[in-house]
Parts: sequence; C-alpha cells; structure tokens
Amino acid sequence: GALVYQYPRRTICKSGTSMRMECQAVGFQATSVAWYRQSPQKTFELIALSTVNSAIKYEQNFTQEKFPISHPNLSFSSMTVLNAYLEDRGLYLCGARYNERLFFGHGTKLSVL
Amino acid sequence: GDQVEQSPSALSLHEGTGSALRCNFTTTMRAVQWFQQNSRGSLINLFYLASGTKENGRLKSTFNSKESYSTLHIRDAQLEDSGTYFCAAELAGNTGKLIFGLGTTLQVQP
Repeated sequence: GALVYQYPRRTICKSGTSMRMECQAVGFQATSVAWYRQSPQKTFELIALSTVNSAIKYEQNFTQEKFPISHPNLSFSSMTVLNAYLEDRGLYLCGARYNERLFFGHGTKLSVL
Repeated sequence: GDQVEQSPSALSLHEGTGSALRCNFTTTMRAVQWFQQNSRGSLINLFYLASGTKENGRLKSTFNSKESYSTLHIRDAQLEDSGTYFCAAELAGNTGKLIFGLGTTLQVQP
C-alpha cells in the first residue's frame, strides 16, 4: 500500500495550549486528505476533508477556528489543535486518498494535561 | 456509527481457524474499505470494493451494495492477524467521506 508519514507519533500538551501535526504522502500524490479523530473508545470522527485547490469541508462539531488545516500541495497536509482541552484527547489520523483507497499514517496520539 | 453496523464486536480464534466479520449498512453505500488496526494504532488498508469480491492471501472481502452489506473472511488465522478490524463505507453520491463501523477486536490464540 501507499506510505503516509505522520508526525509526531505522540504528544502531550498543557490544557489551553496548541499543537500541530503533519502528514506527508511518500511517493505519491493524494487526491484528498481526510483528518479523523479516534476516541479512546475507538470510534472514528471525521474532522475535515481537504482537497487541494478546494475549500476544506469541516464536519459538524469541528471548525476551522479550532482545527485549522493547511493543504498546500498533493503530498503534504498539517492540522493544528488550538487551545486543547481534555475532550480533545485521542488519536488523530490523517488519511491520504489514492486510487479511491484511503491510506493512513501512524496517527498522532494527543494527551492533554 | 449508526449507518454502519459492524459485528461481532469481539472475536477469538485459534490459529489455523477462520471466521467472518460483517458490516450492515442502513443506507446505500457506493463503496467500502476494510482496515486492520494493529497494537501500535496503525491503520492498514486491506481492501477497497465498489462491488463484488476481492481476495488477498488469507483474506477475502465481499461488498453487496443492493443488499447493503459487506463481509471480511479470514482463513487460517495467524497470531499476527490479531488487532481491530474496521469497515468504512462511503455514501452514494458523496465522495471522500468514510463512515466507520465500531470495529471487531480479533484475538488469535495459539
């Protein structure tokens, strides 16, 4: 399958601070990038879907003001969690779409103190 | 989620045996993907199906959009097959958004 590199693998931040995560498609160009959050109970929530040269579509309960995403080219995307609080904890996964399939990075595990 | 009902929630197999996982959809889906999440959290894409059946090694998956279900069959289970398996479906007419099931946690025992 296609390789997606996401970093950092895990991060701890103080309540009210922000953290940025990055996603790199290795050796291919993704037609779109989807950012998900997986809760500790393992349920997945789509945060936003980003296609280069199109507006980023945020799902209900997620906003650009809270989770700004940058998607400058077909191989790279980043997302920031602003003012993180306990409810933002979880595993954040970026999925890069290639030939209809979605390939995920390792995810960024966010802990908030 | 509500639109994707995955079963069973947990499954235990002995090495060499097999079983099937299933996802039922409450609305029309255009395609389904199956993923394995390993102990480190990495999600591995196993299959993409818009229809029909695909096979890859000891895994076989079927998607029937008319009857709104998909299955993942595992045969000759190995210890490394342990993990959580998710189906994720894409709504008809909606490109890009995947709706995940709640997962099946598989434990393969010696």
